[in-house]
Amino acid sequence: DVKVTQSSRYLVKRTGEKVFLECVQDMDHENMFWYRQDPGLGLRLIYFSYDVKMKEKGDIPEGYSVSREKKERFSLILESASTNQTSMYLCASSLREKSPHFGDGTRLSIL
Amino acid sequence: RKEVEQDPGPFNVPEGATVAFNCTYSNSASQSFFWYRQDCRKEPKLLMSVYSSGNEDGRFTAQLNRASQYISLLIRDSKLSDSATYLCVVNKRGSARQLTFGSGTQLTVLP
Repeated sequence: DVKVTQSSRYLVKRTGEKVFLECVQDMDHENMFWYRQDPGLGLRLIYFSYDVKMKEKGDIPEGYSVSREKKERFSLILESASTNQTSMYLCASSLREKSPHFGDGTRLSIL
Repeated sequence: RKEVEQDPGPFNVPEGATVAFNCTYSNSASQSFFWYRQDCRKEPKLLMSVYSSGNEDGRFTAQLNRASQYISLLIRDSKLSDSATYLCVVNKRGSARQLTFGSGTQLTVLP
């Protein structure tokens, strides 16, 4: 069974901090995704990676960056956290054009 | 126009009822279609893929209408445990691997 693990379920940070969200998958999937989910807005794609060191911007990349140094790990970085980045962050992975599997999510609060 | 649109509901139906959700998409070149289910405060999980010829999985039937650019999900003999938000998913314009999620349709099955 596919396992996508996000490093934290809940995280509280302060405005201006640099925040790292980590995601690891154990199924050798080439695709990895970072979404955020907000009430009334659904899931919105932040960044997508289809291979090590390869990335594509999603719909809302502003204020975020990503890192994929190893195939199994995809990190989301908030360079200078702001209150409007308070959200649920969901990592997912998939094989080619197959359906993605999600991690449990990280509920991030920026104070 | 949004890439994927769903009626947000809520749909409140009695146990045993049949309920149907539609989802429209704007990218006529889309090739990948899925229905996901998301329980409250949980991650989305794949319910079923949607194939061109339509497909069934127990009480759930998914259909694709390419001409009108919509997909549908039919739930027969609904159970209390079917209460959840149902997300329509379509691959993004210009990408076979990036996916766009609808905002979801909320279903509550009442005893």
